[in-house]
Amino acid sequence: DTEVTQTPKHLVMGMTNKKSLKCEQHMGHRAMYWYKQKAKKPPELMFVYSYEKLSINESVPSRFSPECPNSSLLNLHLHALQPEDSALYLCASSFSAYYEQYFGPGTRLTVT
Amino acid sequence: EDQVTQSPEALRLQEGESSSLNCSYTVSGLRGLFWYRQDPGKGPEFLFTLYSAGEEKEKERLKATLTKKESFLHITAPKPEDSATYLCAVQAANAGGTSYGKLTFGQGTILTVHP
Repeated sequence: DTEVTQTPKHLVMGMTNKKSLKCEQHMGHRAMYWYKQKAKKPPELMFVYSYEKLSINESVPSRFSPECPNSSLLNLHLHALQPEDSALYLCASSFSAYYEQYFGPGTRLTVT
Repeated sequence: EDQVTQSPEALRLQEGESSSLNCSYTVSGLRGLFWYRQDPGKGPEFLFTLYSAGEEKEKERLKATLTKKESFLHITAPKPEDSATYLCAVQAANAGGTSYGKLTFGQGTILTVHP
């Protein structure tokens, strides 16, 4: 099974709200990723976790805060977002950082 | 800097009309080249990994090939359900440290197959 699950599927939030996105995989993968994707663009890497430690932060604004509670879970905490942060947020995982990445279905985020 | 260029940007085919999508890349030592399919509003679906020039992989109507400069995704006798955006991505062999796990994506090819 190569399934990555994400919740919620859709999220609408105001600029003063605090919300969280959740990602889960049970494939025993040790690398997990957050991507942001705008319409008609490829996914854009935000964060990489390897063995539950943050390996890469692609200069993402601090209003996005990742968390990896254990090897199966990845969260993205959102606070004081801007309308331009509206996008499809994708989670992915891989056996290690040098293997193919499997993506979840994404969370469609709208910031009003 | 690693670069990936996909062509064409969009491709319209009739059902059964075979064709190829191109992915040209420049990378400082290729670790792997990945093909994904993405339906609108959904996450990319992994298709293939290619590691070295001359390698080929097949899955149903799709066949991916790799040379030292480019990869092709051949679609044989496509069906309307093959309509999607196809993404190509590369990972550099020396992708350690601050590039750990990083993929460089192309802009994608939007494939539409008409019945």
